[in-house]
Amino acid sequence: QSVLTQPPSASGTPGQRVTISCSGSSSNIGTNYVYWYQQLPGTAPKLLIYRNNQRPSGVPDRFSGSKSATSASLAISGLRSEDEADYYCGAWDDSLSGVVFGGGTKLTVL
Amino acid sequence: QVQLQESGPGLVKPSETLSLTCTVSGGSISDYYWSWIRQPPGKGLEWVAWIYYTGSTNYNPSLKSRVTISLDTSKKQISLKLTSVTAADTAVYYCASQGTYDYVLATWGQGTMVTVSS
Repeated sequence: QSVLTQPPSASGTPGQRVTISCSGSSSNIGTNYVYWYQQLPGTAPKLLIYRNNQRPSGVPDRFSGSKSATSASLAISGLRSEDEADYYCGAWDDSLSGVVFGGGTKLTVL
Repeated sequence: QVQLQESGPGLVKPSETLSLTCTVSGGSISDYYWSWIRQPPGKGLEWVAWIYYTGSTNYNPSLKSRVTISLDTSKKQISLKLTSVTAADTAVYYCASQGTYDYVLATWGQGTMVTVSS
């Protein structure tokens, strides 16, 4: 049972825009930054979004993040086949003094 | 640019102690928190522990009674020990650098798979 809640799956066709939601509480998303990670099969997670909506260098601007109250979203526009991966949200949790994650969303490009 | 490399035994017997090491290159130990995260096969990510160069540590409450994280600043290595392992501890174990301001897990190692089996 993950602390943050994500849908287990999402899908879209090439060129479409998809969004993945992440729901938390006042002790994590409500008061701290949200991050998003992309995990391709057999590889380590890669930072995609940090501080709610910032992209590390090298991450395409097709990826964007937003946060409102205790929820966050990752949007992927112009969907490509190489975007097929697992996506995880994360945030610092003040009660835990540690990082909490969502259960992950498997994105399928149809 | 920080780079991380995990190492470990690969196979551990039930009830024994799992010991892992993460070697840091290309960065300063004092610039980050250092975390361990694990991922059971086919499942999601679970934060295990973090340590700061001052010696401050924190552990996931679900593992706290069995886990110890330590730091050797001279060798630039972060170690993790997990006692009394069971099959539920089978996972890929990742180490990661963590921002001291925004807590972002920015850089991850490639991970090391640990299987608990007799």
